[in-house]
Amino acid sequence: EAQVTQNPRYLITVTGKKLTVTCSQNMNHEYMSWYRQDPGLGLRQIYYSMNVEVTDKGDVPEGYKVSRKEKRNFPLILESPSPNQTSLYFCASSSTSGHNVQFFGPGTRLTVL
Amino acid sequence: AQSVAQPEDQVNVAEGNPLTVKCTYSVSGNPYLFWYVQYPNRGLQFLLKYITGDNLVKGSYGFEAEFNKSQTSFHLKKPSALVSDSALYFCAVRDWGSGNTGKLIFGQGTTLQVKP
Repeated sequence: EAQVTQNPRYLITVTGKKLTVTCSQNMNHEYMSWYRQDPGLGLRQIYYSMNVEVTDKGDVPEGYKVSRKEKRNFPLILESPSPNQTSLYFCASSSTSGHNVQFFGPGTRLTVL
Repeated sequence: AQSVAQPEDQVNVAEGNPLTVKCTYSVSGNPYLFWYVQYPNRGLQFLLKYITGDNLVKGSYGFEAEFNKSQTSFHLKKPSALVSDSALYFCAVRDWGSGNTGKLIFGQGTTLQVKP
């Protein structure tokens, strides 16, 4: 089944404790992206990647890092989480040859205390 | 600057009645427009898209959307709402301002509530 998976689905952590949210897709998509969803703000892009070893900042990259060492994986790293990073996070992927229909993961609800 | 606006936070409709969820956009370049739906505790699911061609686009679950270039709108519609259509709906537009990155700009979302 074609899908985007994320882990963990739920995470409660404390300020300053490094964490990684994994994202994996099995559709051989070149493009991958991380979004955060906050009430009233829709989805805002954090980082994106056009292909392996090619990443770039989105609209709200501060406090986040990503890597793209393999085509299928695009982990999101919070080196020192803060309470304002409490949010719902989505990973998405798409083919660059299509018309940008993005496939989304199930989401990761992160709470930073 | 490219942008998407969904003017209604919530739309309430009775089951069996037609529904409309509104979306307007501002974009430089050709408007590639999308609708996604988010059910509780789920990721976003693609409903339909407009790239070119007919202004009326048909998508999943009986939804359709009408592209109106003069009004820069892309409203989502369904002739007869179901209780199971209750969800959060997002309109999105491709961001040409970011080059060929495939980036989408999302509206803030509209909650659709269909009552029996």
